[in-house]
Amino acid sequence: EDKVVQSPLSLVVHEGDTVTLNCSYEVTNFRSLLWYKQEKKAPTFLFMLTSSGIEKKSGRLSSILDKKELFSILNITATQTGDSAVYLCAVENDYKLSFGAGTTVTVRA
Amino acid sequence: GAVVSQHPSRVICKSGTSVKIECRSLDFQATTMFWYRQFPKQSLMLMATSNEGSKATYEQGVEKDKFLINHASLTLSTLTVTSAHPEDSSFYICSARNRGISYGYTFGSGTRLTVV
Repeated sequence: EDKVVQSPLSLVVHEGDTVTLNCSYEVTNFRSLLWYKQEKKAPTFLFMLTSSGIEKKSGRLSSILDKKELFSILNITATQTGDSAVYLCAVENDYKLSFGAGTTVTVRA
Repeated sequence: GAVVSQHPSRVICKSGTSVKIECRSLDFQATTMFWYRQFPKQSLMLMATSNEGSKATYEQGVEKDKFLINHASLTLSTLTVTSAHPEDSSFYICSARNRGISYGYTFGSGTRLTVV
């Protein structure tokens, strides 16, 4: 059975802090790993990772994949209150996505 | 950019009635659409995969007679919750595979279903 495990389940930080979110997976026929941000409605796309060791960056967010150890991390630096959301990790295999439980990030002013 | 329009965004219905949720790909052809359900504070659970012109593939534990999926055209897929019960209350989201974008998946905005 495919597994996508995210940790921690939730965390609370103050503005300006850096957060690191983890995602480990066990899936057959891995194709890609995706990160999404979900506020109140549908998830919005952040990153897609297919190759090990290549960091992807978008502003204060970055992510990297380790296909040998089967995990990915998502970093958010200089957090802002607008970063408060649920961050979802999803793994694509056989042309469908399996989601982790998500990490709820709360950024306090 | 790629857009999937999902309607309604919110619906309240009585127990025993049926509710239809629509997802339309507005500027691309979606040969495959995915339907997810999300309970409060939980992740998205894939319910079924629908391919245009063929029967949907349901995930284990999802009742195909209760959650009817139709994908009659390349731009429209519908999910009908039949004989709804309060335990069917949830957030339902569709997603379409779009080969025209780098990451391949576009999500609808979701439907909050409340069965009373």
